Amino acid sequence: AQSVTQLDSHVSVSEGTPVLLRCNYSSSYSPSLFWYVQHPNKGLQLLLKYTSAATLVKGINGFEAEFKKSETSFHLTKPSAHMSDAAEYFCVVSDAGNNRKLIWGLGTSLAVNP
Amino acid sequence: GAGVSQSPSNKVTEKGKDVELRCDPISGHTALYWYRQRLGQGLEFLIYFQGNSAPDKSGLPSDRFSAERTGESVSTLTIQRTQQEDSAVYLCASSLWQGNGYTFGSGTRLTVV
Repeated sequence: AQSVTQLDSHVSVSEGTPVLLRCNYSSSYSPSLFWYVQHPNKGLQLLLKYTSAATLVKGINGFEAEFKKSETSFHLTKPSAHMSDAAEYFCVVSDAGNNRKLIWGLGTSLAVNP
Repeated sequence: GAGVSQSPSNKVTEKGKDVELRCDPISGHTALYWYRQRLGQGLEFLIYFQGNSAPDKSGLPSDRFSAERTGESVSTLTIQRTQQEDSAVYLCASSLWQGNGYTFGSGTRLTVV
């Protein structure tokens, strides 16, 4: 069975410092992995996706994530946080053998302090 | 339109009444999902439509919930005899094909009083 665990429910960083949002998954097959962002009072937006191509995936707004099969991880990073990055971030896994249901993490709330 | 459109954006209803939520996906998107997001929680899968295939209804929490979609067009989610625990944001998402990454609507915030 597939599952996804976001290891931190809340992360707080200072503006200009690196961001690390952690995600571990379990999947029986080769997974597709996604990160979504939800800003306050706005809809969900796809940040980036991994679908068995390059293991280092670059997304929008300077975010990137690395698929590490040996660690079953797909952590989201950004070298330098901006105030506008404050939002809720969701890690999502879908099984390549059964892409019909996306399994969502519970989310990580990112706060960026001036 | 350019994105996924959901209506209404907000709905307040009395307990026991029926509500209908609407989703207009991006034109040409064959896959459509409904999700529910309760306050402070992650997304909960409700139902999935893929083209003309039979929908995957396994996420619907009770028989008070139902959804329809005609072909690859508009979808409606109906909640009968609403309860207070139905209060949540209901999100619709569509995709060109499953697993490609989805575009979400802004959601319908349902409040049952």
